[in-house]
Amino acid sequence: DGGITQSPKYLFRKEGQNVTLSCEQNLNHDAMYWYRQDPGQGLRLIYYSQIVNDFQKGDIAEGYSVSREKKESFPLTVTSAQKNPTAFYLCASSLTPGQALHFGNGTRLTVT
Amino acid sequence: KQEVTQIPAALSVPEGENLVLNCSFTDSAIYNLQWFRQDPGKGLTSLLLIQSSQREQTSGRLNASLDKSSGRSTLYIAASQPGDSATYLCAVYNAGGTSYGKLTFGQGTILTVHP
Repeated sequence: DGGITQSPKYLFRKEGQNVTLSCEQNLNHDAMYWYRQDPGQGLRLIYYSQIVNDFQKGDIAEGYSVSREKKESFPLTVTSAQKNPTAFYLCASSLTPGQALHFGNGTRLTVT
Repeated sequence: KQEVTQIPAALSVPEGENLVLNCSFTDSAIYNLQWFRQDPGKGLTSLLLIQSSQREQTSGRLNASLDKSSGRSTLYIAASQPGDSATYLCAVYNAGGTSYGKLTFGQGTILTVHP
């Protein structure tokens, strides 16, 4: 079955710690995206990658970092510099930029 | 900067009703518009994608229309069922301006279909 896998589903961290969220896809898609979803605010783009070894900042990249060393994988690190990290994080991919997006089931991060 | 607005924010209807969800966007320079469904605590599922050159797309009981010049799209759901209860989001893929090459999402419409 082709799809996008995000792990873990729930993640708890203490303030000041970095944490990495995993996103893996076996759809052979070139483009991958990270979104953050907060209640009442819709989805906001954190980072996106149109091809391996390349990525671009989205609208709210501060306090986050990514890598795209393999086509299938696009991990997101939430650093201690992110002021309000508690949120629902969604990873998505598309065959090429602009085509239909496929989403993972998300990771809910809670930082206390 | 592109802004996407969805109206209404929430909608509750009895089973069997036909309903319309609205999406408007401020910049008509778009490549396409996508409609998604999100169940609580889950990711988004793509429902329909309309290219900027198209007027509408249909999938089963769903029909989405696009009027690019006026910056509007509607999602029509026929004969609604309780299983349609979810949040529906629209997103535009931007072809110009500061949002070029990015998807901009609306905040969603929470739909409840009661038996």
